[in-house]
Amino acid sequence: QVQLVESGGGVVQPGGSLRLSCEVSGFTFNNYGMHWVRQAPGKGLEWVAFIRYDGSNRFYADSVKGRFIISRDNSKTMYLQMSSLRSEDTAVYYCAKDSDYRFGYIDYWGQGTLVTVSA
Amino acid sequence: SYELTQPPSVSVSPGQTARITCSADALPKKYVYWYQQKSGQAPVLVIYEDNKRPSGIPERFSGSSSGTMATLTISGAQVEDEADYFCSSIDSSGIHRVVFGGGTKLTVL
Repeated sequence: QVQLVESGGGVVQPGGSLRLSCEVSGFTFNNYGMHWVRQAPGKGLEWVAFIRYDGSNRFYADSVKGRFIISRDNSKTMYLQMSSLRSEDTAVYYCAKDSDYRFGYIDYWGQGTLVTVSA
Repeated sequence: SYELTQPPSVSVSPGQTARITCSADALPKKYVYWYQQKSGQAPVLVIYEDNKRPSGIPERFSGSSSGTMATLTISGAQVEDEADYFCSSIDSSGIHRVVFGGGTKLTVL
């Protein structure tokens, strides 16, 4: 079955950096686009970024553009490099699988990893 | 920008029909997707492309769409259906992005 496992969350100071990872199994990773979605404590879902199946196209939410970078490699892993972190970036970050190789919809989610930005 | 609006809360008694709406602010309305998120858990897709149900999702979950409004219906809601429900759509009018509604807390008691 499809499994998505995030790691790399933790506590970081404002202005700092952090890299999240998402290891997948149960499907052919190279055939699907992938997303990051976050959820601030007690709040709703906010889409963060998307990467096409081959890494050729990447899209970002305005709130993270220029600070976050989404990437993937051939070892069934996706990443989110986060820089210049702010308190408003505090959230659970979910890795999510797209239904398509281009930009479809999210059909599976990981369990999430918590990022806390605090001095 | 494309936005989706949901009521903050809906409450029903067990066995009743729960309806959660999702209003889009522009036409043409795009496909809507619905996610269920139980407390402390990751979201789960319950409806895709307005009215299709993924395998493993109970038949009591259904979706519909008309004009700029989509509706998630839970026929004969059960206590275990108590959760937050988020509608979502894809805005591909410029830079591609996923849009989520603010979420609806469904209480079944």
